[in-house]
Amino acid sequence: QSALTQPRSVSGSPGQSVTISCTGTSNDVGAYNYVSWYQHHPGKAPKFMIYDVTKRPSGVPDRFSGSKSGNTASLTISGLQPEDEADYYCCSYAGSYTFWVFGGGTKLTVL
Amino acid sequence: QVQLVQSGAEVKKPGASVKVSCKASGYTLTSSGISWVRQAPGQGLEWMGWISTYNGNTNYAQNLQGRVTMTTDTSANTAYMELRSLTSADTAIYYCARGGTYWDVWGQGTTVTVSS
Repeated sequence: QSALTQPRSVSGSPGQSVTISCTGTSNDVGAYNYVSWYQHHPGKAPKFMIYDVTKRPSGVPDRFSGSKSGNTASLTISGLQPEDEADYYCCSYAGSYTFWVFGGGTKLTVL
Repeated sequence: QVQLVQSGAEVKKPGASVKVSCKASGYTLTSSGISWVRQAPGQGLEWMGWISTYNGNTNYAQNLQGRVTMTTDTSANTAYMELRSLTSADTAIYYCARGGTYWDVWGQGTTVTVSS
């Protein structure tokens, strides 16, 4: 069982928007602004999409955005494209004992 | 370009050890820490630990304490992860990733299979 809770799957049609939630506790997501998101196509290396809750690295389309409210972080993908179909993982700092925790991953299907 | 290149797939027997390498190219290893993350079949990502490539300080996941050792060879621009006393639960793809509070460059992954 993963430390952070994500929906197992979400889906949307091309052009639509989807939001993937990542629920933790006041010891991880709620305590620190060190939430990052990774896109993972099976068989490939994960790709870094969002860091520090809301920041987007260069090269990542502005269709991807991150936010946080309380103990829940979210990744929103607008204007869905077929190539967005992948697994998405959130990750949060959880203090100097546990350090880093991942969510269980969400499979995004673009219909 | 900046990349991390990992060693090849390994097959090990239960109780054995495995050592995976992660060679940095396009940048100097000591400029940023390295974390190791694994993914067991059908499972999500699991953070294993982090090493400061500057001074060798390490932080390990609690469930791996005592079985994992992360090291670097700065002359070879390479990081290593050794896992001992392997069981079938350690069968996974192992990734190295560059960074401290987020990981911007990932290795291609090394499949470790533990089987008798």
